[in-house]
Amino acid sequence: GENVEQHPSTLSVQEGDSAVIKCTYSDSASNYFPWYKQELGKGPQLIIDIRSNVGEKKDQRIAVTLNKTAKHFSLHITETQPEDSAVYFCAASRSARQLTFGSGTQLTVLP
Amino acid sequence: ETGVTQTPRHLVMGMTNKKSLKCEQHLGHNAMYWYKQSAKKPLELMFVYSLEERVENNSVPSRFSPECPNSSHLFLHLHTLQPEDSALYLCASSQDYNREETQYFGPGTRLLVL
Repeated sequence: GENVEQHPSTLSVQEGDSAVIKCTYSDSASNYFPWYKQELGKGPQLIIDIRSNVGEKKDQRIAVTLNKTAKHFSLHITETQPEDSAVYFCAASRSARQLTFGSGTQLTVLP
Repeated sequence: ETGVTQTPRHLVMGMTNKKSLKCEQHLGHNAMYWYKQSAKKPLELMFVYSLEERVENNSVPSRFSPECPNSSHLFLHLHTLQPEDSALYLCASSQDYNREETQYFGPGTRLLVL
């Protein structure tokens, strides 16, 4: 089955700097890659997703890139703010029937 | 209410107790999911229901018993749990199990088994 590895497990950045979280996946047939943000005491919320026919997608300060050849995708957050502090999860799916999640990255934005 | 709701938000139970977790989605979706979230581990899919029929059961111990009476409600019945079952239990829903649809999560039930 699919295996998703996520790095780093913790990340601290200064407010205003950029943050990058990377994931690799094992199943070359995977074609849907969402990113979720989980704040303390809440469930994961989708922040951005990308499908295999697209190499990059942006939504304001958030962007995701996908390299299908290398089987990795990354989340980029620019101009980080304290409210960006949370746990971020990547996931991959080949058929949409079952998402395989990474182990999460605790992002801390320091004021 | 909107989105996916879960009750209770927190639950403490002994190993001999029986309790149930409830999930309700107000999004008109056809698929619902139970996940287990343990510290420093990826989310583990437990059960999936599509149109009220169970379609996935990922080798979950029988002490966890799901129930889906209709497409808006999902329950997880718990009995004779072990301390290692302590975790955050998340419910999610999606519009259509067979398509690449986004899953929307509830806030979770924090379970502690003593």
